Amino acid sequence: DAKTTQPPSMDCAEGRAANLPCNHSTISGNEYVYWYRQIHSQGPQYIIHGLKNNETNEMASLIITEDRKSSTLILPHATLRDTAVYYCIVVAGGTSYGKLTFGQGTILTVHP
Amino acid sequence: DSGVTQTPKHLITATGQRVTLRCSPRSGDLSVYWYQQSLDQGLQFLIQYYNGEERAKGNILERFSAQQFPDLHSELNLSSLELGDSALYFCASSVVPSGDSRNEQFFGPGTRLTVL
Repeated sequence: DAKTTQPPSMDCAEGRAANLPCNHSTISGNEYVYWYRQIHSQGPQYIIHGLKNNETNEMASLIITEDRKSSTLILPHATLRDTAVYYCIVVAGGTSYGKLTFGQGTILTVHP
Repeated sequence: DSGVTQTPKHLITATGQRVTLRCSPRSGDLSVYWYQQSLDQGLQFLIQYYNGEERAKGNILERFSAQQFPDLHSELNLSSLELGDSALYFCASSVVPSGDSRNEQFFGPGTRLTVL
């Protein structure tokens, strides 16, 4: 699976949009970009995923660049409960197993 | 609540001992994954099962083993425990076994293992 690079930490004011970048310059054509987050020591939580088109769900939006070498997770109106470690993970598609390879992630701190 | 349950929540044991961690996947999910989270190694994939069969192995020690039963619950067995095995152990489940477009994994609350 392709390696990802994320900033170690970011801050965001409550109510503002949080934009979390991820670099995955070696991504292959059949690899998906997944985002998970982990609040304190709880189990990681799935947020969103995409292949090449931008995606939106009730939690967030995912913007993938045209060359697919980077992506941005957007939390449109961050709340204090969004403070967590956010992981950007590239997962091979097709018939491969779907294990998740977690990096260090980005610690997002939302402050009042 | 992800729908994945893990027992026990906490486990304290001594070096050299053996423990069993249990996981019940979400209803309908056939694939189960085990992950270990320690302070120095982060979240690491250990092993995956799909419908009772081992599907993939990660950085799982030979002292560790797992299985998935016909009712789809899974157990992770850790033996000859060492201090360094102290960690959070998470189980996750998914509908499909592969890196498909629907491979979102649902994680349980974890079992915190402390080896003294």
